[in-house]
Amino acid sequence: GAVVSQHPSWVICKSGTSVKIECRSLDFQATTMFWYRQFPKQSLMLMATSNEGSKATYEQGVEKDKFLINHASLTLSTLTVTSAHPEDSSFYICSARRGANQTFGPGTRLLVL
Amino acid sequence: SQKIEQNSEALNIQEGKTATLTCNYTNYSPAYLQWYRQDPGRGPVFLLLIRENEKEKRKERLKVTFDTTLKQSLFHITASQPADSATYLCVIYSSASKIIFGSGTRLSIRP
Repeated sequence: GAVVSQHPSWVICKSGTSVKIECRSLDFQATTMFWYRQFPKQSLMLMATSNEGSKATYEQGVEKDKFLINHASLTLSTLTVTSAHPEDSSFYICSARRGANQTFGPGTRLLVL
Repeated sequence: SQKIEQNSEALNIQEGKTATLTCNYTNYSPAYLQWYRQDPGRGPVFLLLIRENEKEKRKERLKVTFDTTLKQSLFHITASQPADSATYLCVIYSSASKIIFGSGTRLSIRP
């Protein structure tokens, strides 16, 4: 079946640094990838939709200059949290879509000190 | 306003009983609806998809119903087991290609 990986699975960084998270579809090509953020005991919140070869579409309230998304190929999308602050600490999950099926990655836990 | 609600934040069920989770939505016209399972610290895992023209879908001990008149989906786990304990998410795919997540129901199956 479809598999999506994320790297790293967890990261701790200092405030002010930038962190890059990779999302890969391992056995299929995904024209569309999604990035979500999830706070403890809350549901997933869509941050942006990433289409291969074009600019990402950000949800209302999500700063595109802070959360840089690059979808360079049909199997890789990256999310860079720039100048991270403690309030950016969260669980970031990507998903890749092929037709009606959406497969989620295992998530990346970000802790900003 | 558009809303998707899952019946309760937490549900506690005795092992062997049927767990029933509810997903209600307003002001959407879903093309289809999905149920996912999420364990702590993990991404959601797909369980079942049901389309707007389908009334019921089954997969092993799982059953999903979809009533577009009531704007409701029910998710059943029969012969529940402690390993079924997790958070279950209802996800709507609207006809406008928007993906909307419910807040989830945390299910606990006690031995």
